[in-house]
Amino acid sequence: NAGVTQTPKFQVLKTGQSMTLQCAQDMNHEYMSWYRQDPGMGLRLIHYSVGAGITDQGEVPNGYNVSRSTTEDFPLRLLSAAPSQTSVYFCASSRTVNSNQPQHFGDGTRLSIL
Amino acid sequence: GDSVTQMEGPVTLSEEAFLTINCTYTATGYPSLFWYVQYPGEGLQLLLKATKADDKGSNKGFEATYRKETTSFHLEKGSVQVSDSAVYFCALSSGAGSYQLTFGKGTKLSVIP
Repeated sequence: NAGVTQTPKFQVLKTGQSMTLQCAQDMNHEYMSWYRQDPGMGLRLIHYSVGAGITDQGEVPNGYNVSRSTTEDFPLRLLSAAPSQTSVYFCASSRTVNSNQPQHFGDGTRLSIL
Repeated sequence: GDSVTQMEGPVTLSEEAFLTINCTYTATGYPSLFWYVQYPGEGLQLLLKATKADDKGSNKGFEATYRKETTSFHLEKGSVQVSDSAVYFCALSSGAGSYQLTFGKGTKLSVIP
C-alpha cells in the first residue's frame, strides 16, 4: 500500500536553481493537488489537477509549474527558486472531484532555499 | 471566501484528560468538514469527517459534530493518551471550483504522562 509517494524527502537549493518535486499515487485517484505548509499558516493550495491533461492554479501558484501527463504522476516544478519558497510541500490525492472525498497526503518534501 | 479558525496552541494535557479543540468556519453553500492529524515528520492523515449538518464524525475515540447553526466543528476526546500528541488541523471543502481544502492554522497537542 504505497498510497501517495513524494520524492525527495529533503532538498537544499541555491537561489535561482530549478528543481522538480515528484509525486506519484497508485490508487487511480482522479484529483491531485500540491500544498505548501508554512509555520502558523496551515496549508495553502498551489496547483491542482482534476484528471490527466488538466491542471489549474490554486491560492499561491506564482513561481511554480505543474503538469499531469498520466493519472499517477503530478510533478511540481520550481522555475527559479527563491528564499520565500522555503517550505514543506505536500502532495495529496482523492478518488474523485467531490468535496466530500477526503484527500490522502504524502509524507512531504522539506525544501530549503539559500 | 472560505476560512477556518481554530484555537491557538500549543495545548498541553495530562494523560486521560478531556480534550476539546475549537473550530469555526465561514463558507459558501454546504461544505464538508474534516479533521486531519499530523504526527511529527509525517504527512496529514484524515482523522474524521462530516458531510452534512448534524452529522457526527468519529474515529479512534475522537468525535466532532457538524453544527450549521453555530458554524462549528469542535474536536473532542474523552481521555487522551501520550500517542495522541500531534498537530490537529480543521479543514473544509466547499467544492466550489478548485475542490481545495481550506485549513485552519493547526493546533499542537502535547500529552504528558
